[in-house]
Order: sequence, then C-alpha cells, then structure tokens
Amino acid sequence: NAGVTQTPKFQVLKTGQSMTLQCAQDMNHEYMSWYRQDPGMGLRLIHYSVGAGITDQGEVPNGYNVSRSTTEDFPLRLLSAAPSQTSVYFCASSSPRESTYEQYFGPGTRLTVT
Amino acid sequence: AQSVTQPDIHITVSEGASLELRCNYSYGATPYLFWYVQSPGQGLQLLLKYFSGDTLVQGIKGFEAEFKRSQSSFNLRKPSVHWSDAAEYFCAVGAGVTGGGNKLTFGTGTQLKVEL
Repeated sequence: NAGVTQTPKFQVLKTGQSMTLQCAQDMNHEYMSWYRQDPGMGLRLIHYSVGAGITDQGEVPNGYNVSRSTTEDFPLRLLSAAPSQTSVYFCASSSPRESTYEQYFGPGTRLTVT
Repeated sequence: AQSVTQPDIHITVSEGASLELRCNYSYGATPYLFWYVQSPGQGLQLLLKYFSGDTLVQGIKGFEAEFKRSQSSFNLRKPSVHWSDAAEYFCAVGAGVTGGGNKLTFGTGTQLKVEL
C-alpha cells in the first residue's frame, strides 16, 4: 500500500493563477480531508468528504473547491491563488470501519503564492 | 464546536529528562483524542490515540498519554527524552459525522527542543 499520496511536493504560483493539488489513497477509505498548516496555527480543516459525490466545508473553505468523483481521489482546486494561500497542504483519509477513526496523512504539498 | 489548547508554544528539556506536553480540549461528547508528531519538513506521524477504555494509553517511541475527563486534558508524557524527540507535537480532537476522525481539530502545536 502506498497509503496517501500527494502531488506535487512543491509549487510556486503567481497571484491569480489556478492549480489543482492532487490527493489519492489506496486504502479504500470512505473519508478524505484537506488541511492547511500555517506557523503558529496548527492544522485547519479546509474541506472534507464522507464518500464519493459528498463534500462539505471545513473551518477555512474560502478560495478552495473540491470534488470527489471516486473513492480514491480528492483533488483540491485553487481557482485564483492569493498570497494568503501560501501554506503547507495535507490530505488525509480515514474509515468508519476502523474503530479508532485514525486519520492517515499524506506527505504534504508546500505552496508559495507570490 | 470542539477546540484544543496547547498552552506551551516552546519547551526545552535536557536529554534524559522527563517530558510532559499539555493538551486541553473542549468537546460536548466523548472525544476521540490524538497526538501527532512532526519533524522539520515532514508529514505527521501518529504517536497515540484515545477513544474509549483505559485512560492511560501507550504509543510509539515510548510516549504515553492520560485522558482525564474531569480536567478535559490529554497530556503527553515520556519518562526519558532522547535527542531525536526534538520536533513539533500536535494534539487533536476528532468529531464529525460519526463522532470520530474525519474532522480533526488541532491545537497550535508545541515545539520541543532537546538539549544535549
């Protein structure tokens, strides 16, 4: 099992550009989530999904879109990047079939918006 | 809504000394609690978790944590710190559709420095 994979590892964007951060998991997990990590603020939930076709907003959803067309993939889209979106982004997956509801995190994508 | 407080932003301990990192949570139901560790430039690694049963839980790398409902705390401890434990530590509480782990709320983290 590869677990949770994220691409790219690093990305530099100019203000106003768009891009998609990719996230995939091979554990057949129903739940997937996106977090951003900023210094001194811990990780904050952006969007999450409880299954294919079902998504919802987290704590900081503005400026981000998600969709979940398959169980495996959960891409995060930035439609018009802003410097405030400079951050490290983590994708995670989990399953209600696991009694501890442990979330498995990907290695992260470091995004810089200039 | 749930919240997590890690009151110590930075902690410095000597190698071989004991360690306690504090975590207080706010959640209306029985919490699912986690401690993660993050080394510089790395992702998050789960140290331990609590969701029911024995209030003292053991984790990897010699860490343990004790759930105290009356104090709304889930402090992380290690009897003897090693230089390789230097990292940032995050406490998190889980909630969501199932009350479990698909929506985590994290504390702001505690940066641990180990002096040799």
